[in-house]
Amino acid sequence: GQQVMQIPQYQHVQEGEDFTTYCNSSTTLSNIQWYKQRPGGHPVFLIQLVKSGEVKKQKRLTFQFGEAKKNSSLHITATQTTDVGTYFCAGPPSGTYKYIFGTGTRLKVLA
Amino acid sequence: ETGVTQSPTHLIKTRGQQVTLRCSSQSGHNTVSWYQQALGQGPQFIFQYYREEENGRGNFPPRFSGLQFPNYSSELNVNALELDDSALYLCASSSDRGLGREQYFGPGTRLTVT
Repeated sequence: GQQVMQIPQYQHVQEGEDFTTYCNSSTTLSNIQWYKQRPGGHPVFLIQLVKSGEVKKQKRLTFQFGEAKKNSSLHITATQTTDVGTYFCAGPPSGTYKYIFGTGTRLKVLA
Repeated sequence: ETGVTQSPTHLIKTRGQQVTLRCSSQSGHNTVSWYQQALGQGPQFIFQYYREEENGRGNFPPRFSGLQFPNYSSELNVNALELDDSALYLCASSSDRGLGREQYFGPGTRLTVT
């Protein structure tokens, strides 16, 4: 079936270090969305990418959508303790409205 | 705060029972999607409702059913509960069923089946 994998599964970084999570889909996606879920919370929308090769920035966060629209990445520069949480990518396979969520990357930031 | 509310917050049921979970979408949103999130995993798409009709379904059995009302609030019903149904159930509303609509999640209902 259609799968979206993320690596790494877990990442511990020292505050101030950079962090990157990678998202790989088994099928072409119409768009990719990124969410952050704090422990005990619900997913919160961060951003959406639609075009092949698109790059978007939000302050310290940089998001990329691959040329084949099957992979994406999220890069955080100079992590802060407020960045702690699990980051999910999600996207609908082309021709569907079903958003498939990735396996998630859990980020811990050590002060 | 997203404006999406869910009830109840927590629920404990026995295997074989039935449960109804409720979701009120954000004002102006006509689309509601339901997800199941097991501990330590990503949300799994159950189904989506757009203007009171089911608009897509994930790999869940028919004992998972839903409704959307004229005010766009929604219910998720699960019959013949199984232990594996224990999870956080999330609803998400969006302004349209179209692609590229950001989803606003509610706080979820934690269901425990014993």
